Amino acid sequence: AQKITQTQPGMFVQEKEAVTLDCTYDTSDQSYGLFWYKQPSSGEMIFLIYQGSYDEQNATEGRYSLNFQKARKSANLVISASQLGDSAMYFCAMRGSVEAGNMLTFGGGTRLMVKP
Amino acid sequence: AAGVIQSPRHLIKEKRETATLKCYPIPRHDTVYWYQQGPGQDPQFLISFYEKMQSDKGSIPDRFSAQQFSDYHSELNMSSLELGDSALYFCASSLVRLGEQFFGPGTRLTVL
Repeated sequence: AQKITQTQPGMFVQEKEAVTLDCTYDTSDQSYGLFWYKQPSSGEMIFLIYQGSYDEQNATEGRYSLNFQKARKSANLVISASQLGDSAMYFCAMRGSVEAGNMLTFGGGTRLMVKP
Repeated sequence: AAGVIQSPRHLIKEKRETATLKCYPIPRHDTVYWYQQGPGQDPQFLISFYEKMQSDKGSIPDRFSAQQFSDYHSELNMSSLELGDSALYFCASSLVRLGEQFFGPGTRLTVL
C-alpha cells in the first residue's frame, strides 16, 4: 500500500520569498512517480511538477522545483519567489508502478497563504 | 492545448435521485481516471479505464458505475444519491507510459 504524508496543514510565506512544502511517502514499489498539484479556491487541480523514482536529477519547472531525497522517501516542493497567486492548496501525490495501476494516492494537502 | 472537459460543472440533486457525470479526455489520451474529493479532503481514486476497459477500481460505492466509450469519453453514473455523495468529482486522463495525469475542472455535485 502507498501512503503520502504532508505534515504542514497550513503555511504562511511572505511575497517574493521561497517556501518549501514537505511531502514524505511510503511504498514497496521500486518504480513510482511523485507529483505535485495546486488547487486554488476555484477548485481545479493544476499539475505542477513530476519526479520519477529513477530520475537522478531533481525536477524543475519554472519557479517550482522538487527536492527528491529517495533514501529519506521525501519529495518536497520548493516554490521560489512566491507570488500572491500562489495562495492555494497544494497536494503531493504518488503513482505506483504501471503494473500496480497508475492511480494517484494523495496526501492531505498543505494550504499555502502568501502575504503581501 | 486541449484539456480534459467535464460536464456538467455543477449539479444539484435530491436524495435517492440519479446523476450522470461526463468526461472527455485530452485527445490521444487512452486512460481515464475518476476521483472524488469531499469537502476539506484529498481526492480519492474511484475507478479507471484503459482502452475502454476497466483498469482499476478504488473506493467506488456499488451504487456507482462507470464506463468508457469508443470515442474514449467516460461517464460516471451515480444512483440512489446520498447526502455524503456531495463532493467535487474529477476526471483525469493520461498516456499510460507517461503517467502524468491531467485533471479536468471537476463537477461539483450537491445532494440535498
